[in-house]
Formats: sequence, structure tokens, C-alpha cells
Amino acid sequence: DIQMTQSPSTLSASIGDRVTITCRASQSISSYLAWYQQKPGTAPKLLIYKASNLEGGIPSRFSGAGSGTEFTLTISSLQPDDFATYYCQQYNPSSPYNFGQGTKLDIK
Amino acid sequence: EVKLLESGGGLVQPGGSLRLSCAASGFTFTSYRMGWVRQAPGKGLEWVSGISGSGTEYVDSVKGRFTISRDESKNTLYLQMNSLRTEDTAVYYCAKGSLRRFYFDYWGQGALVTVSS
Repeated sequence: DIQMTQSPSTLSASIGDRVTITCRASQSISSYLAWYQQKPGTAPKLLIYKASNLEGGIPSRFSGAGSGTEFTLTISSLQPDDFATYYCQQYNPSSPYNFGQGTKLDIK
Repeated sequence: EVKLLESGGGLVQPGGSLRLSCAASGFTFTSYRMGWVRQAPGKGLEWVSGISGSGTEYVDSVKGRFTISRDESKNTLYLQMNSLRTEDTAVYYCAKGSLRRFYFDYWGQGALVTVSS
């Protein structure tokens, strides 16, 4: 199975900061990587698919990069609505389609 | 507008069974991969099962106990859960995949399954 490891697990930042979350796969997944945002008590929301493609309706301050085993999610200028938990997920064409353990982004 | 509405969650004793349903609307249900993702209390997301034209897939911890299926006449996805264990306690989300991949662009509101005596 492919294991996904996110870092950091927790990140404290301020409004307007640029933040980057890293996701590493235990073996190459090409660009089969998605990023989700989840707020307490709600379902996850898709932000990015295929490593760098922005889902429709997602603000352009979110961006994704990487391929192979190392990926990043960057928020260029944090807004109040961005404080949440972020998950990566690999969907390389064989299950299980594992998620990372999550990165909680909170207000400094 | 895409909508996914789960039902069937609840409290069940260890060893018991439960069937989750997910009523889908707003897209061509038969064309898309569908899946179930769960989240134990205070924990992260775990992919559980998926279904496509190629067949069904499961995480190892539920193989032989859970069965995913879809009724295309009713636009409904199911998860039959048997031999439930306390560690299956979680919110179960129904999620819509893409045409060819198991990343999820729409999610239901979630159904809480509690396995406890």
C-alpha cells in the first residue's frame, strides 16, 4: 500500500501569511494527488486534483505543485475562511486510495 | 446541482449489521465512480470502498465484511456493513468520484455509525 505523510501536523499562521503544506508518498504516484479542506462538523471540500489543477470555484490563492513522491499545497495569502484541516489523497490507479493524516491550520 | 444524501446510520451492537444508502442527483450517476470515506471521532479521513465499471474495491480492514453496490434505477449507492466492530465507529461519507479516478469532487453530509454494546 502507498502511505501518505503530511507535514507539519499543525501549523499556526496569521492573516495574510503565505503557507505551504507538504505531502509525501511512500512510492511514486505520478500526479495522482488531490487536496481537500475540512472544517469541523462538515464534509471535506475538494481544492486541487491531479496535483496542480484547481477545482472550480476555489480561490486562486490556493495552488498545488509536485509529482512523483513530493507535493505541496500553498495558500498565497491566508484569509479568515482558510483556517481548517487539510488532507492530501493519492489516487494512483490501485487501491487503497489513502489520505494523509491531515494538517490543522490555526490562527497564530 | 449535485446532491448526495446519506441515510441509514445509527447505533448497532458489535457483530451486528447496518446498510447505508446514498441518494444521488444532479449528475449521470451511472457514469461516475463512487465511494465511501469514513472518519472516526477526532481522527482523519479513511477511504473505505469504491465502485466503478471495473468492479468494486475495499480497504483491507473491511474486506469480507462490507459490500458496496449501486442501484442505477434509483440513483442510489449502498454500503452493506456486516460483522461490525467497535473500530468501525465513524462518520461515513458518500462521495462522487471522477469519470476515471477515485478522487472526490462532491461529498454527502455524512452518516454516523456507532458500534457499541
